[in-house]
Formats: sequence, structure tokens, C-alpha cells
Amino acid sequence: AQKITQTQPGMFVQEKEAVTLDCTYDTSDQSYGLFWYKQPSSGEMIFLIYQGSYDEQNATEGRYSLNFQKARKSANLVISASQLGDSAMYFCAMRDYNYGQNFVFGPGTRLSVLP
Amino acid sequence: DADVTQTPRNRITKTGKRIMLECSQTKGHDRMYWYRQDPGLGLRLIYYSFDVKDINKGEISDGYSVSRQAQAKFSLSLESAIPNQTALYFCATSDQTSGVQSTDTQYFGPGTRLTVL
Repeated sequence: AQKITQTQPGMFVQEKEAVTLDCTYDTSDQSYGLFWYKQPSSGEMIFLIYQGSYDEQNATEGRYSLNFQKARKSANLVISASQLGDSAMYFCAMRDYNYGQNFVFGPGTRLSVLP
Repeated sequence: DADVTQTPRNRITKTGKRIMLECSQTKGHDRMYWYRQDPGLGLRLIYYSFDVKDINKGEISDGYSVSRQAQAKFSLSLESAIPNQTALYFCATSDQTSGVQSTDTQYFGPGTRLTVL
């Protein structure tokens, strides 16, 4: 069965510094996608970044980058130059592209950006 | 207008009551999902539907039922609500990728905060 692990329930970072949010996954599939979502205090789920298992380069979207280490089955989110508005819950998720194609979510990491 | 809408946004009810949460989407996606979110547990899949005639149980379907009235509408029912069903409920949609890796993500509704007293 697929599983996502996020070992950091909470993280603090100083404004303007970079922060890495950890995500490890477990799957026997070769074809899968990894996603990160942000959930601010208002509750909505905001898609941030995607990495396909066959992508050779790490994904980047503005201040977000995904440090993808396939052999270690990790897909860490790096946020550069943290802003106060980055304070939120962050969820790592995986989607397999074979059976089911459903999404599996991790428990989340709450990031607090300090002024 | 939002692509995925949920009604109601907030609901307080009593133990034993029947509750229906509704979801509508304008994305044109075939796939729709219901999740619940609890602190420390992330999002857990309750039910999902690949099309109007294809409905499947997710990880935590006990105590819930669903109805896919049309491609755009997917409702979640709690037949007899209990306090441990107090949670934030999300509806989501996604496109089918046909086995090809795709950046197609899930699109979430704004959530329904349900409290069962």
C-alpha cells in the first residue's frame, strides 16, 4: 500500500530564510506523481508543485522547489526567502498512474514564519 | 465563480441526525472525491467516483454514503451522525491521466466544517 510520511509536525523559520519540509513515500509502482499543497488558516487547499517519477530534473515553481531523491523515496519541499504569508499547513501527496490513480496524503507539517 | 463549490460551508448538528453535504464542479472532470481532514491525520479518502456509474469506497467509508447525481454533482451523506464525524470535509475533482504522468492535480472545494454534538 502507498504511504506518505511527513516527520515534522511543526516547523519554525525566520522571515527571508529558506526552509525544507520533509516528505518520504512508499510505493511499489514505477509511475507516480508527487504533489505539495498549502493550506492556510482559511482552510482552502492550494496546489504548489508537482514532480513526476520519471522527471530527471527537480521541479521548481517560483520560490518553491522540490528536492526529489528517487532512490531514497523522498520529495522534500524547499521554500526560499520565506514570507509571513507562507505560514500554513503543508501536505505532501502521491498519485499512482496505474491502479486507481488516487491520491494519498501525508499528515502535514505546520510551518510558522517568524518576523 | 469557483470551479468546485461545497454547501454548506459550516454545519452544526446533533447526534443521530441525517446530514447531506453537496459538491458541484464546473471543471468537466469525471473523477470526484470526498475526503475528511482531522488534525494530525491529513486528508483521508471517504469515497470516490470515476463517473456517474462508478462509485468506490475509500479508506474510511463506514458511516458514510454518496450519490453521484450527474457528472458535476457528488453528494456525501451521514445517515446518523456521531460526534467522531466532526471534521473538515473536502470535495475534490481530478482528470483521468490514462496512465500517463501528468501535472493534473486535484482541485479542491473550500471545505465544509461539520460539528456533531
